[in-house]
Amino acid sequence: QKEVEQNSGPLSVPEGAIASLNCTYSDRGSQSFFWYRQYSGKSPELIMFIYSNGDKEDGRFTAQLNKASQYVSLLIRDSQPSDSATYLCAVEMDSNYQLIWGAGTKLIIKP
Amino acid sequence: NAGVTQTPKFQVLKTGQSMTLQCAQDMNHNSMYWYRQDPGMGLRLIYYSASEGTTDKGEVPNGYNVSRLNKREFSLRLESAAPSQTSVYFCASSEGSQNNEQFFGPGTRLTVL
Repeated sequence: QKEVEQNSGPLSVPEGAIASLNCTYSDRGSQSFFWYRQYSGKSPELIMFIYSNGDKEDGRFTAQLNKASQYVSLLIRDSQPSDSATYLCAVEMDSNYQLIWGAGTKLIIKP
Repeated sequence: NAGVTQTPKFQVLKTGQSMTLQCAQDMNHNSMYWYRQDPGMGLRLIYYSASEGTTDKGEVPNGYNVSRLNKREFSLRLESAAPSQTSVYFCASSEGSQNNEQFFGPGTRLTVL
């Protein structure tokens, strides 16, 4: 059974600080990794994806991938109250491009 | 360009009733998906359609059927609803190749009494 694990939180971070969200996965053959944000009562929306080891930056967001250790993380710099949401990690299965989803980490940014 | 649309937004059923959830996308995507989301369990794939004319079971297909009516539309049917099917249902679509973003509809909140 292929699994994606996330700490459910809530993770509470002061406004302006760095929020760090982590995700581990079981399938060593996974190639692509996605971070989605889901506001309460809304549908998930893509923040960014990464498929190469190392860091990928997009504005205030940085995704980090370490395939040897089988983890992927998302850093949010200068956290804003509008970043308060649940963050879902998804791992793409190489065989058919389906996504396996973590249960999500609830992030709360305190003003 | 509406993206992915779903109907209805809310539904309450009695045990044993049937219903069909409708989904349509206008992005010319090849692949479409039905998920359910329960508290603390993340998104679980019910069925997917990799391309028009094909459908396959996902992680939790029991109690559901699907129809890929054409490239745009993918419906999910509950033949005899059970309380365990109370959930939020999301439809999604993607181009269907590697590194493709899945775009989600607004969801259907279903309660089975």
